[in-house]
Amino acid sequence: DAKTTQPPSMDCAEGRAANLPCNHSTISGNEYVYWYRQIHSQGPQYIIHGLKNNETNEMASLIITEDRKSSTLILPHATLRDTAVYYCIVRGGSQGNLIFGKGTKLSVKP
Amino acid sequence: DTAVSQTPKYLVTQMGNDKSIKCEQNLGHDTMYWYKQDSKKFLKIMFSYNNKELIINETVPNRFSPKSPDKAHLNLHINSLELGDSAVYFCASSQSGQGGETQYFGPGTRLLVL
Repeated sequence: DAKTTQPPSMDCAEGRAANLPCNHSTISGNEYVYWYRQIHSQGPQYIIHGLKNNETNEMASLIITEDRKSSTLILPHATLRDTAVYYCIVRGGSQGNLIFGKGTKLSVKP
Repeated sequence: DTAVSQTPKYLVTQMGNDKSIKCEQNLGHDTMYWYKQDSKKFLKIMFSYNNKELIINETVPNRFSPKSPDKAHLNLHINSLELGDSAVYFCASSQSGQGGETQYFGPGTRLLVL
């Protein structure tokens, strides 16, 4: 079972920041927080991951709370092409498979 | 350049047939995976191979047999196809090591069993 909880859906206006929350209250010390997204009918796409520090790359920023029990994925300027299902996944550093939950369906509207 | 590729993209077949799906990655990764996404859109791991050895085999029927001829390929053979096998199958790859492992997914193979 997935170890994360996400809202089932969110809307965001085009050009605005999209903030996607994730709860992972049972995360252990060596587990990373990963974010993937799946645009309709395509394979999941890696976005970002982090352990305890905030992370930023060309796609998004990841803010992890100090107690590591929750995190937020930030898409700074959402576009229509960011409409997708976003998955927050907790996973040990040397483990294999990703356990996908239901994710958050983000709809970016004009 | 496609990092993780799968063939075929679509596969329509009759119940009882045997079929194979192929996956290739050109990323130099040492670990490859097969995932299944059913009609309800749940994405679940099926198999994981590291350096051509089976690491994970979730509760998948014996009719499914992964085969890894080399580190760049992980094929999925399915015997005696059933209606419930209809799904999208995704291949993925990653490089094992410290600091987390990012998985890169292929475009998927859409299997429809009639």
